[in-house]
Amino acid sequence: EVQLLESGGGLVQPGGSLRLSCAASGFTFTGYAMSWVRQAPGKGLEWVSATSGGGGNSYYADSVKGRFTIFRENSKNTLFLQMNSLRDEDTAVYYCAKDDWGQLSPNNYFDYWGQGTLVTVSS
Amino acid sequence: QSVLTQAPSASGTPGQRVTISCSGSSSNIGNNYAYWYQHLPGTAPKLLIYRNDQRPSGVPDRFSGSKSGTSASLAIGGLRSEDEADYYCATWDDSLNARVFGGGTKLAVL
Repeated sequence: EVQLLESGGGLVQPGGSLRLSCAASGFTFTGYAMSWVRQAPGKGLEWVSATSGGGGNSYYADSVKGRFTIFRENSKNTLFLQMNSLRDEDTAVYYCAKDDWGQLSPNNYFDYWGQGTLVTVSS
Repeated sequence: QSVLTQAPSASGTPGQRVTISCSGSSSNIGNNYAYWYQHLPGTAPKLLIYRNDQRPSGVPDRFSGSKSGTSASLAIGGLRSEDEADYYCATWDDSLNARVFGGGTKLAVL
């Protein structure tokens, strides 16, 4: 059974940093691209970033480019999102999602999701 | 503002058939597959439809997807109370080089 468990959320001041983690199990982690998707309070889903199975390719939404970094530690079946220069508008529940295959492609989709971790950016 | 447009709400009574639409453009739905997700607040979103009209194993055949031109649709037949949730369409946008979601449609089962 595929399981994705996010952690690392919390309260952080504007301009601060936070690192999210996603522990994966139930599938061959290195074989699949992984993504982060967020949902701000009262808003819809917004894709944030994705990385290939090997971690060599990544891409980002314009709203986080240059501030967030996605990376993975395949030996530990864990996905990360390093968030720097946080803004009020980054407040959201962040979901980890598994892609349906290993390379990044326009045809990828999210076949499994975690329960999410809440990030609150506020002074 | 989302590049994919969905009505913010929809409703139906038990047993009815409801259709949720997703309108895009030639740079997204018009040139790529459409996907549908179901989301109950506080839970993990769930994949309902992939590649326009394919259902993952375990998704009831009451759920069906279609695509025509720059629009996609999700139909839910035999509506049940447990179908009350938010539904999102998604695809890739060639101009933005990004995955995009619709704004979501909140479905009420009256």
